[in-house]
Amino acid sequence: QVQLQESGPGLVKPSGTLSLTCAVSGGSISSSNWWSWVRQPPGKGLEWIGEIYHSGSTNYNPSLKSRVTISVDKSKNQFSLKLSSVTAADTAVYYCARLHGIAASSDAFDIWGQGTMVTVSS
Amino acid sequence: SSELTQDPAVSVALGQTVRITCQGDSLRSYYASWYQQKPGQAPVLVIYGKNNRPSGIPDRFSGSSSGNTASLTITGAQAEDEADYYCNSRDSSGNHLFGGGTKLTVL
Repeated sequence: QVQLQESGPGLVKPSGTLSLTCAVSGGSISSSNWWSWVRQPPGKGLEWIGEIYHSGSTNYNPSLKSRVTISVDKSKNQFSLKLSSVTAADTAVYYCARLHGIAASSDAFDIWGQGTMVTVSS
Repeated sequence: SSELTQDPAVSVALGQTVRITCQGDSLRSYYASWYQQKPGQAPVLVIYGKNNRPSGIPDRFSGSSSGNTASLTITGAQAEDEADYYCNSRDSSGNHLFGGGTKLTVL
């Protein structure tokens, strides 16, 4: 079965760039799914960051779009997140997730990574 | 509007039925999906589409929708159902949205 595993630094300095990778195992990143990043600040709700298809097509949350880049590496079966100009407000658990479904009207995030905590602090 | 609104907290007596709701204009065009999240764990998909349960999700979980409101119903709530529940859909631009979450307490 498909599994996702996030990795990356747990501490990032203010104004720096947060970089995370999500490794896909048990399946191909080139399958007919979109791959997303979702974050959750401590004690708060879930926020969708953006998504990528294996072709490289992306969609981003408008509130983060100017700072976010999501990329895919098919040779390594993984996708990555870069978030620039970070502040303390970007401190959160970051999850990668698979979006599964035939139609946009009924798709869902069916597989999630365990999440990785990223703290923005000097 | 491009928001999904959930009640912050709901409680239910053990074995009783509880409905958790999610309101938003986008729900007139898109089905909601529902996620259960227990402390320190990643969210788990419990309902998607019209009323579909992933493998392994008990049949006491069901979903429905009417107008701008989607509902997650737990029929015969168990102690292990105590968790935060989030709805998800898309806005008019096709971007994903999450509701603010509902904390379910099983008494």
